[in-house]
Amino acid sequence: EVQLVESGGGLVQPGGSLRISCTASGFTFSSYEMNWVRQAPGKGLEWVSYISVSGSTIYYADSVKGRFTISRDDARNSLYLQMNTLRAEDTAVYFCVRYSEVTAGTFDYWGQGTLVTVSS
Amino acid sequence: DIQMTQSPSSVSASVGDRVTITCRASHGIGRWLAWYQQKPGKAPKLLISAASSLQSAVPSRFSGSGSGTDFTLTISNLQPEDFATYFCQQTKNVPWTFGQGTKVEIK
Repeated sequence: EVQLVESGGGLVQPGGSLRISCTASGFTFSSYEMNWVRQAPGKGLEWVSYISVSGSTIYYADSVKGRFTISRDDARNSLYLQMNTLRAEDTAVYFCVRYSEVTAGTFDYWGQGTLVTVSS
Repeated sequence: DIQMTQSPSSVSASVGDRVTITCRASHGIGRWLAWYQQKPGKAPKLLISAASSLQSAVPSRFSGSGSGTDFTLTISNLQPEDFATYFCQQTKNVPWTFGQGTKVEIK
């Protein structure tokens, strides 16, 4: 069974930093491209960042470019998002999401999410 | 960026009804469209890829159609477990973008 489990969310002050993690199981993590998608409270879905197999290609949404860094550790079956210079508008549930070319580039499995709250 | 616009933003329906949700892309995306279902406090679940391909274990009362800029998600014979929020997503270009969501509520 595919499982994605996020961790590391919490309360952080504006301007602060936080690293969230995602641990994958039930599939060959190193063979899949991965993403982070976020959802502000009561709002819709916003794609945040993408990382290719082996990490050679990375994309970011304009809203986080220059502040967030995505990375992966295939030996640990883990995905990370380092978030710096956090703003109130970064407050959201952050989902770790698997990308599937087999299903025409969709996000086929999602973690349960980890809540990041940016507030003083 | 490709903008995705869903309508309606919410719909009230009864068990057994047929519900249709539309999604319009600001630029043509071929059939690079997905539909997701999200229940309160849960992660989204992929229902349909490539505009009309039903994912395994998704009931056949769900169907998708369309290409280019206009797409629809239809739920036939609405069941109690279908009351949720539905999102479309274009999977053609980065940045991948979602519609704002359609909440299907109990009438």
